[in-house]
Amino acid sequence: DAMVIQNPRYQVTQFGKPVTLSCSQTLNHNVMYWYQQKSSQAPKLLFHYYDKDFNNEADTPDNFQSRRPNTSFCFLDIRSPGLGDAAMYLCATSRADSYNEQFFGPGTRLTVL
Amino acid sequence: QQQVKQSPQSLIVQKGGISIINCAYENTAFDYFPWYQQFPGKGPALLIAIRPDVSEKKEGRFTISFNKSAKQFSLHIMDSQPGDSATYFCAALTGFSGNTPLVFGKGTRLSVIA
Repeated sequence: DAMVIQNPRYQVTQFGKPVTLSCSQTLNHNVMYWYQQKSSQAPKLLFHYYDKDFNNEADTPDNFQSRRPNTSFCFLDIRSPGLGDAAMYLCATSRADSYNEQFFGPGTRLTVL
Repeated sequence: QQQVKQSPQSLIVQKGGISIINCAYENTAFDYFPWYQQFPGKGPALLIAIRPDVSEKKEGRFTISFNKSAKQFSLHIMDSQPGDSATYFCAALTGFSGNTPLVFGKGTRLSVIA
Protein backbone atom coordinates (compact mmCIF):
# COMPACT_ATOMS: atom_id res chain seq x y z
CA ASP A 1 0.00 0.00 0.00
CA ALA A 2 1.18 3.51 -0.77
CA MET A 3 1.99 5.30 2.41
CA VAL A 4 4.05 7.72 4.45
CA ILE A 5 6.61 6.02 6.68
CA GLN A 6 8.42 7.61 9.59
CA ASN A 7 11.39 6.25 11.44
CA PRO A 8 11.95 5.82 14.23
CA ARG A 9 8.52 5.84 15.85
CA TYR A 10 10.07 6.76 19.18
CA GLN A 11 13.31 8.65 19.67
CA VAL A 12 15.00 9.51 22.94
CA THR A 13 17.87 11.97 22.91
CA GLN A 14 19.82 13.98 25.41
CA PHE A 15 19.65 17.71 25.81
CA GLY A 16 21.86 19.25 23.12
CA LYS A 17 22.57 15.99 21.27
CA PRO A 18 21.73 16.24 17.55
CA VAL A 19 18.99 14.00 16.27
CA THR A 20 17.67 13.15 12.81
CA LEU A 21 14.18 11.96 12.03
CA SER A 22 13.35 10.41 8.69
CA CYS A 23 10.32 10.24 6.45
CA SER A 24 9.78 8.29 3.27
CA GLN A 25 6.81 8.07 0.96
CA THR A 26 5.66 5.73 -1.74
CA LEU A 27 2.94 8.09 -2.99
CA ASN A 28 5.27 9.94 -5.39
CA HIS A 29 3.94 13.24 -4.06
CA ASN A 30 5.97 16.31 -4.86
CA VAL A 31 5.19 18.22 -1.66
CA MET A 32 6.49 17.07 1.72
CA TYR A 33 5.85 18.72 5.07
CA TRP A 34 7.23 18.56 8.59
CA TYR A 35 4.95 19.41 11.50
CA GLN A 36 5.57 19.62 15.23
CA GLN A 37 2.66 18.60 17.44
CA LYS A 38 2.69 19.05 21.19
CA SER A 39 0.20 17.44 23.51
CA SER A 40 -3.39 18.60 22.99
CA GLN A 41 -2.37 21.05 20.29
CA ALA A 42 -2.83 21.29 16.53
CA PRO A 43 0.05 20.37 14.26
CA LYS A 44 2.37 23.31 13.70
CA LEU A 45 4.03 23.53 10.30
CA LEU A 46 7.81 23.81 10.49
CA PHE A 47 8.66 23.79 6.79
CA HIS A 48 7.80 22.12 3.53
CA TYR A 49 9.36 21.19 0.22
CA TYR A 50 7.67 21.77 -3.10
CA ASP A 51 9.83 19.47 -5.19
CA LYS A 52 13.32 20.73 -4.29
CA ASP A 53 12.17 24.19 -3.25
CA PHE A 54 12.46 24.62 0.49
CA ASN A 55 9.90 26.79 2.31
CA ASN A 56 10.63 27.68 5.91
CA GLU A 57 7.92 29.02 8.18
CA ALA A 58 8.88 32.38 9.63
CA ASP A 59 8.71 31.23 13.24
CA THR A 60 10.59 27.95 12.83
CA PRO A 61 13.71 28.09 15.02
CA ASP A 62 17.11 27.84 13.33
CA ASN A 63 17.69 24.76 15.44
CA PHE A 64 15.48 22.87 12.99
CA GLN A 65 16.82 21.98 9.57
CA SER A 66 15.59 19.74 6.78
CA ARG A 67 16.97 17.85 3.83
CA ARG A 68 15.21 16.26 0.89
CA PRO A 69 17.75 14.25 -1.12
CA ASN A 70 15.14 12.87 -3.51
CA THR A 71 11.38 12.73 -4.08
CA SER A 72 10.84 9.86 -1.67
CA PHE A 73 12.83 10.92 1.38
CA CYS A 74 12.86 13.88 3.70
CA PHE A 75 14.82 14.37 6.93
CA LEU A 76 14.32 16.59 9.94
CA ASP A 77 17.50 17.52 11.78
CA ILE A 78 17.37 19.05 15.25
CA ARG A 79 20.82 20.40 15.86
CA SER A 80 20.68 20.98 19.62
CA PRO A 81 17.44 19.66 21.08
CA GLY A 82 16.08 21.43 24.09
CA LEU A 83 13.48 20.23 26.56
CA GLY A 84 10.90 22.32 24.73
CA ASP A 85 11.47 20.36 21.53
CA ALA A 86 9.95 17.22 23.00
CA ALA A 87 6.92 16.58 20.81
CA MET A 88 5.41 14.40 18.13
CA TYR A 89 6.93 15.15 14.73
CA LEU A 90 4.66 14.47 11.79
CA CYS A 91 5.63 14.13 8.16
CA ALA A 92 2.99 14.67 5.50
CA THR A 93 2.84 14.64 1.73
CA SER A 94 0.54 16.00 -0.92
CA ARG A 95 0.28 16.45 -4.65
CA ALA A 96 0.63 19.96 -5.98
CA ASP A 97 -2.20 19.49 -8.47
CA SER A 98 -4.90 18.65 -5.95
CA TYR A 99 -6.68 20.49 -3.20
CA ASN A 100 -3.79 19.75 -0.96
CA GLU A 101 -5.14 16.60 0.64
CA GLN A 102 -2.29 15.85 2.98
CA PHE A 103 -1.40 12.30 3.89
CA PHE A 104 0.24 12.08 7.29
CA GLY A 105 2.69 9.55 8.58
CA PRO A 106 2.29 7.96 12.03
CA GLY A 107 4.73 10.40 13.60
CA THR A 108 7.92 10.17 15.64
CA ARG A 109 7.60 10.79 19.37
CA LEU A 110 10.71 12.67 20.50
CA THR A 111 11.74 12.67 24.14
CA VAL A 112 14.54 14.96 25.31
CA LEU A 113 16.24 14.03 28.58
CA GLN B 1 -6.88 36.74 9.23
CA GLN B 2 -5.20 33.38 8.85
CA GLN B 3 -6.83 31.78 11.89
CA VAL B 4 -9.43 29.10 12.00
CA LYS B 5 -11.33 29.12 15.29
CA GLN B 6 -12.66 25.78 16.45
CA SER B 7 -15.09 24.93 19.23
CA PRO B 8 -15.69 23.26 21.56
CA GLN B 9 -12.29 22.24 22.87
CA SER B 10 -13.74 19.01 24.20
CA LEU B 11 -17.02 17.19 23.74
CA ILE B 12 -18.68 14.26 25.46
CA VAL B 13 -21.53 12.56 23.62
CA GLN B 14 -23.63 9.53 24.43
CA LYS B 15 -23.42 6.57 22.09
CA GLY B 16 -25.98 7.04 19.31
CA GLY B 17 -26.08 10.81 19.74
CA ILE B 18 -25.01 13.58 17.37
CA SER B 19 -21.61 15.18 17.75
CA ILE B 20 -21.27 18.72 16.42
CA ILE B 21 -18.01 20.61 16.07
CA ASN B 22 -17.91 24.16 14.76
CA CYS B 23 -15.29 26.22 12.98
CA ALA B 24 -15.15 29.82 11.85
CA TYR B 25 -12.73 31.69 9.63
CA GLU B 26 -12.03 35.24 8.48
CA ASN B 27 -9.99 34.85 5.32
CA THR B 28 -12.43 34.82 2.41
CA ALA B 29 -9.67 33.49 0.17
CA PHE B 30 -9.94 30.07 1.81
CA ASP B 31 -11.46 27.71 -0.72
CA TYR B 32 -11.01 24.22 0.70
CA PHE B 33 -12.07 23.03 4.13
CA PRO B 34 -10.99 19.57 5.28
CA TRP B 35 -11.60 17.81 8.56
CA TYR B 36 -8.93 15.56 10.02
CA GLN B 37 -9.40 12.80 12.59
CA GLN B 38 -6.54 11.87 14.88
CA PHE B 39 -6.37 8.92 17.24
CA PRO B 40 -3.85 8.94 20.11
CA GLY B 41 -0.35 8.14 18.93
CA LYS B 42 -1.32 8.34 15.26
CA GLY B 43 -1.01 10.95 12.56
CA PRO B 44 -4.09 12.88 11.45
CA ALA B 45 -6.15 11.32 8.67
CA LEU B 46 -8.42 13.14 6.26
CA LEU B 47 -12.03 12.46 7.19
CA ILE B 48 -14.08 14.62 4.85
CA ALA B 49 -13.62 17.91 3.00
CA ILE B 50 -15.76 20.54 1.33
CA ARG B 51 -15.36 23.40 -1.09
CA PRO B 52 -17.39 26.61 -0.70
CA ASP B 53 -19.51 26.05 -3.80
CA VAL B 54 -21.68 23.57 -1.88
CA SER B 55 -23.48 24.00 1.43
CA GLU B 56 -23.34 20.41 2.61
CA LYS B 57 -21.39 17.23 2.02
CA LYS B 58 -22.25 13.87 3.49
CA GLU B 59 -20.15 10.72 3.70
CA GLY B 60 -21.72 7.98 5.73
CA ARG B 61 -22.33 9.23 9.25
CA PHE B 62 -20.20 12.34 8.72
CA THR B 63 -21.61 15.57 7.32
CA ILE B 64 -20.00 18.96 6.75
CA SER B 65 -22.33 21.95 6.76
CA PHE B 66 -20.92 25.09 5.20
CA ASN B 67 -22.24 28.65 5.54
CA LYS B 68 -20.27 30.88 3.24
CA SER B 69 -21.94 34.14 4.24
CA ALA B 70 -21.30 33.48 7.93
CA LYS B 71 -17.82 32.10 7.23
CA GLN B 72 -18.57 29.06 9.32
CA PHE B 73 -18.50 25.33 8.80
CA SER B 74 -19.27 22.41 11.04
CA LEU B 75 -18.84 18.68 11.30
CA HIS B 76 -21.79 16.54 12.33
CA ILE B 77 -21.27 12.93 13.36
CA MET B 78 -24.55 11.07 13.39
CA ASP B 79 -25.12 7.96 15.52
CA SER B 80 -21.82 8.60 17.32
CA GLN B 81 -19.92 5.47 18.34
CA PRO B 82 -17.19 4.85 20.92
CA GLY B 83 -14.83 4.20 17.99
CA ASP B 84 -15.33 7.83 16.94
CA SER B 85 -13.56 8.97 20.11
CA ALA B 86 -10.61 10.96 18.76
CA THR B 87 -9.39 14.50 18.25
CA TYR B 88 -10.91 16.32 15.29
CA PHE B 89 -9.22 19.22 13.53
CA CYS B 90 -10.87 21.51 11.04
CA ALA B 91 -8.59 23.21 8.55
CA ALA B 92 -8.66 25.65 5.67
CA LEU B 93 -6.60 26.24 2.59
CA THR B 94 -6.11 28.95 0.01
CA GLY B 95 -5.34 28.06 -3.52
CA PHE B 96 -4.71 25.08 -5.67
CA SER B 97 -0.97 25.33 -6.08
CA GLY B 98 -0.14 22.72 -3.50
CA ASN B 99 2.37 25.15 -2.13
CA THR B 100 0.11 26.82 0.42
CA PRO B 101 -0.06 25.21 3.84
CA LEU B 102 -3.18 24.16 5.68
CA VAL B 103 -4.34 26.35 8.53
CA PHE B 104 -5.55 24.13 11.36
CA GLY B 105 -8.05 24.81 14.10
CA LYS B 106 -6.94 23.96 17.64
CA GLY B 107 -8.81 20.68 17.72
CA THR B 108 -11.73 19.12 19.55
CA ARG B 109 -11.32 16.05 21.70
CA LEU B 110 -14.44 13.93 21.29
CA SER B 111 -15.35 11.21 23.77
CA VAL B 112 -18.30 8.98 22.95
CA ILE B 113 -19.52 7.11 26.00
CA ALA B 114 -21.72 4.05 26.09
